Amino acid sequence: DVVMTQSPLSLPVTLGQPASISCRSSQSLLSSNGDTYLNWFQQRPGQSPRRLIYKVSNRDSGVPDRFSGSGSGTDFTLKISRVEAEDVGVYYCMQGTHWPLTFGGGTKVEIK
Amino acid sequence: QVQLVQSGPEVKKPGASVKVSCKASGDTFSDNGIHWVRQAPGQGLEWMGWISPYNGNIKYAQKVQDRVTMITDTFATTAYMELRSLRSDDTAVYYCVGDYSDSGSYWGQGTLVTVSS
Repeated sequence: DVVMTQSPLSLPVTLGQPASISCRSSQSLLSSNGDTYLNWFQQRPGQSPRRLIYKVSNRDSGVPDRFSGSGSGTDFTLKISRVEAEDVGVYYCMQGTHWPLTFGGGTKVEIK
Repeated sequence: QVQLVQSGPEVKKPGASVKVSCKASGDTFSDNGIHWVRQAPGQGLEWMGWISPYNGNIKYAQKVQDRVTMITDTFATTAYMELRSLRSDDTAVYYCVGDYSDSGSYWGQGTLVTVSS
């Protein structure tokens, strides 16, 4: 199975400041069709997760443009340009290239 | 926009079975199918499996493959996940996830399954 490793586990941030989460996979996520199936999910307290980013860098509908995704191969990053109070929660990366699908362990974003 | 509504919370004894439903409104499930994901209390997300409602393709996580069955109805509007021989470590919130590829990923509200003697 592909192991997804996120860091840091916890990320205290000041409102209005940037934040960055790293996600590394144990194998390349580049698919034979040329796409890289790396997604980012946000789970606010008490809510179901929602997808923010698909295929590394594509924002889902309704996702603020302060969220951005980048990376390739085995190394990926989610950035929040200016953290807002509503961004508090746990962020997960997930790979969809190889069966079984696997999630990272999560990064908890909180306000300092 | 698709909404997925899941069945209500369940309390089961060890060794019993549970069946969770997931009904789509606003659209049928897409060709990309439905995933089931669970989350134990205070823990992260765990992928359990996937089913395509149109060609019957199924993938299960090795951890549960001997105990789980995923099906959809013939109209591709309701999905079901049955987990048998329940253990205490199956206590979790179970989510269905409609995969619409680039058009979206839609999560149900979650179903809490508690396994306790």
